[in-house]
Amino acid sequence: DIQMTQSPSSLSASVGDRVTITCRASQSITRYLNWYQQKPGKPPKLLIYGASSLQSGVPSRFSGSGSGTDFTLTITSLQPEDFATYYCQQSQSTPYTFGQGTNLEIK
Amino acid sequence: QVLLQQSGPGLVRPSQTLSLTCTISGDSVSSNSAVWTWIRQSPSRGLEWLGRTYYRSKWYSDSAASVSSRTTINPDTSKNQFSLQLNSVTPEDSAVYYCVRLVGSSWFDSWGQGILVTVSS
Repeated sequence: DIQMTQSPSSLSASVGDRVTITCRASQSITRYLNWYQQKPGKPPKLLIYGASSLQSGVPSRFSGSGSGTDFTLTITSLQPEDFATYYCQQSQSTPYTFGQGTNLEIK
Repeated sequence: QVLLQQSGPGLVRPSQTLSLTCTISGDSVSSNSAVWTWIRQSPSRGLEWLGRTYYRSKWYSDSAASVSSRTTINPDTSKNQFSLQLNSVTPEDSAVYYCVRLVGSSWFDSWGQGILVTVSS
C-alpha cells in the first residue's frame, strides 16, 4: 500500500496568514493527489484534485502543487471558516490511502 | 447535485454483521463513470478506504485486503442504492462509516452524512 505522510500534524495560524501543508507519498503517484477539508461532525469536502485543480465552488485562496512524491496545499489569507482538518489522498492505486491529517487551529 | 443518504444501525454486537445502505439521488448506481465506495474513519485508523462497486458493461466489486474476507459491497439497481456488509465485527470496527462517490481519475466528490457504528455487547 502507498503510505501518505502529512506535515505538520497540527498548525496554529491567524486570520489573514498564509499557510502551507505538505504531503509525501511513499512512492511516486505522479499527480494522483487530492486534498480534503473536514470540520467536526461533517464528512470531508473535496478541495483540490489532480494535485492542482480547484474543485468547483472552492475559493481561489486554496491551491495545490507538486508531483511525484511531494505535494503542498497552500491557503492564502486564512479566513475564519478555514480552521479545520486537512487530508491528502492518493488515487494512483487501490487501496486508496489518506494522510493522517493536519489540524489547522486559530492562534 | 448528487446526494447520498445512508441508513443502518448505530450499534452492532461483536461477531455479528454490520449492514449499511446508501441511497443515491442525482446520479445512478449504474453510471458508467462513477464508482461507489465505502470509507470509514476512526481515531485509531484515520480515513480508511474499504471497497467499491461500479458498472462498466458489467458489475465489479472489490475491497481492501484488510477487510476483504469479511466484506461484501453490492449494488441494488431497483432502488438506486448500494450496500456494505461487514461480517464478524469486533470493537476495532467501530467507526464513522461513509458512502462516497468517486469520479474522474479517482477523487471523492460526494459524501454521505456518515453513520457512527459502535461494536459493543
